[in-house]
Amino acid sequence: DTEVTQTPKHLVMGMTNKKSLKCEQHMGHRAMYWYKQKAKKPPELMFVYSYEKLSINESVPSRFSPECPNSSLLNLHLHALQPEDSALYLCASSQEAGGNTEAFFGQGTRLTVV
Amino acid sequence: RKEVEQDPGPFNVPEGATVAFNCTYSNSASQSFFWYRQDCRKEPKLLMSVYSSGNEDGRFTAQLNRASQYISLLIRDSKLSDSATYLCAVQTGANNLFFGTGTRLTVIP
Repeated sequence: DTEVTQTPKHLVMGMTNKKSLKCEQHMGHRAMYWYKQKAKKPPELMFVYSYEKLSINESVPSRFSPECPNSSLLNLHLHALQPEDSALYLCASSQEAGGNTEAFFGQGTRLTVV
Repeated sequence: RKEVEQDPGPFNVPEGATVAFNCTYSNSASQSFFWYRQDCRKEPKLLMSVYSSGNEDGRFTAQLNRASQYISLLIRDSKLSDSATYLCAVQTGANNLFFGTGTRLTVIP
């Protein structure tokens, strides 16, 4: 079983809604990631937090807003999304040690924007 | 040019066959390399890291060729349960982990 926990597993939201995706890990990892995956496509990197600071933002629209309240938690706040944002949103974490970046994924949140 | 390129397949092989996947990467400064397995509607799961010296885990062997900038995965004695999508991943820069498009494998009885 994955040690990265994501909630909710499924989410349906309207284009005017505000919602948040949550991710939690207790492996002591100091890097956490958000990926977006569309059907039959690979995961696309959105954000990376390293030691609770945003280190990478892959030109993601501002309607996606990440937050890292502490080293174990990662949130993704959603506002005014579009139907094309419907996808599987995956959280991952990895250690920060000498380039060892074996990343472990949560089960994902399947998001549908209507 | 994409960071990571991978043949999407599909590969349809009989049980017991040996199958190999390749993946090329564009950034020569890439530092770490991985193979992941993803089942339908599930999250990617780490299969193995790929080291310069090559590494083996049971029926699975991974190789890295830095000069030609590719990594490979060999699966021997394929099982029905090996049917999945296999994703290569390349780490470039600090925690910048990019995935290939994935190769779909179906093992046929």
